[in-house]
Amino acid sequence: GAGVSQTPSNKVTEKGKYVELRCDPISGHTALYWYRQSLGQGPEFLIYFQGTGAADDSGLPNDRFFAVRPEGSVSTLKIQRTERGDSAVYLCASSKQGPDTQYFGPGTRLTVL
Amino acid sequence: GQSLEQPSEVTAVEGAIVQINCTYQTSGFYGLSWYQQHDGGAPTFLSYNGLDGLEETGRFSSFLSRSDSYGYLLLQELQMKDSASYFCAVHSGGYQKVTFGTGTKLQVIP
Repeated sequence: GAGVSQTPSNKVTEKGKYVELRCDPISGHTALYWYRQSLGQGPEFLIYFQGTGAADDSGLPNDRFFAVRPEGSVSTLKIQRTERGDSAVYLCASSKQGPDTQYFGPGTRLTVL
Repeated sequence: GQSLEQPSEVTAVEGAIVQINCTYQTSGFYGLSWYQQHDGGAPTFLSYNGLDGLEETGRFSSFLSRSDSYGYLLLQELQMKDSASYFCAVHSGGYQKVTFGTGTKLQVIP
């Protein structure tokens, strides 16, 4: 079956611009996670959704970052006033219920110039 | 907060066995996962330990000791395709928050 998909695969933007990154989880998976990964580092937790609600958003670095999942499936990560330090690969993962087996998407590589 | 330590690099010979250790410090510990990531690829799930002891899945085994805040991943009969980064990840703070380590880059040589 289809895995987790993310669009776009690459996004280049200028400092100060707004970006949206999309995640389409595996059908039927109620849990959805966003991470970001910098080169040579492990994925850094950003936010976790159970259904439509954000169950844990403690990893969002500041109020420029926001994520939604209005219908409990597709999720969008929104970054306002992008900064060069936001450059990273943004990964999305989904699982049936909890986080013990997460299926990751291919990621969106964000470059802020 | 959470902190995890794992070796940054390990080299092993094809056909051999390698063990990748992970020590952690966290509050509200629930369990430990292991993920594999090839260069340019996405992390893929390998195993999860919620209880002390050994979990075996084919050539891969994972161990957890809660009292020692320690776990390891054991890879047997190494193959060249096992060359990748391996991450341990702790589940804490109500189980759903997952904190990854910085990863161990495994190089398998002929």
